Amino acid sequence: DGGITQSPKYLFRKEGQNVTLSCEQNLNHDAMYWYRQDPGQGLRLIYYSQIVNDFQKGDIAEGYSVSREKKESFPLTVTSAQKNPTAFYLCASSQNLNTEAFFGQGTRLTVV
Amino acid sequence: ELKVEQNPLFLSMQEGKNYTIYCNYSTTSDRLYWYRQDPGKSLESLFVLLSNGAVKQEGRLMASLDTKARLSTLHITAAVHDLSATYFCAVVPNYGGSQGNLIFGKGTKLSVKP
Repeated sequence: DGGITQSPKYLFRKEGQNVTLSCEQNLNHDAMYWYRQDPGQGLRLIYYSQIVNDFQKGDIAEGYSVSREKKESFPLTVTSAQKNPTAFYLCASSQNLNTEAFFGQGTRLTVV
Repeated sequence: ELKVEQNPLFLSMQEGKNYTIYCNYSTTSDRLYWYRQDPGKSLESLFVLLSNGAVKQEGRLMASLDTKARLSTLHITAAVHDLSATYFCAVVPNYGGSQGNLIFGKGTKLSVKP
């Protein structure tokens, strides 16, 4: 089944801890993205990558880091520097930067 | 900076009625997307509009794009309860635009009541 898989679906983190959200796609897409969604808000771009070993900051990259060592995988680390990390995180991928993006099911991160 | 504004942000409709959601954006673009999101779920792609005057229809939903007015509309015909969801428009600016510059509106939360 082709698609984008995010894990885990729910994640709880203590303040001061780093946590990594997984995103895997088997669509053979070059581009991948991470978005953050807060209640009642649209999506805001954290990071994106158009090719392996390359990634760019989005509008709200502070307190986050990513890697793109494999085409299929684009993990997002939420560091302790992110002051308000509780949110719904969505990963997406597209064939390239000029084609439509498709979204994973999301990870809901809660800081406790 | 590209701004995308949707209105209304909340919409309560009766079944069987028609209504329109508006998406205005502040800079030139000829690539606009409409998505649907159910509570706690991912985004489902509804429409991709790529040129001025583009109109697409799927079931009770019809989307259009007027690039000169910088306006897209999502029209709902004879609403049914299953259409209850949040609808987002998202725009890629023409200048330096790519999916990495996709800007979302805040969404319109639609509730269809019997």
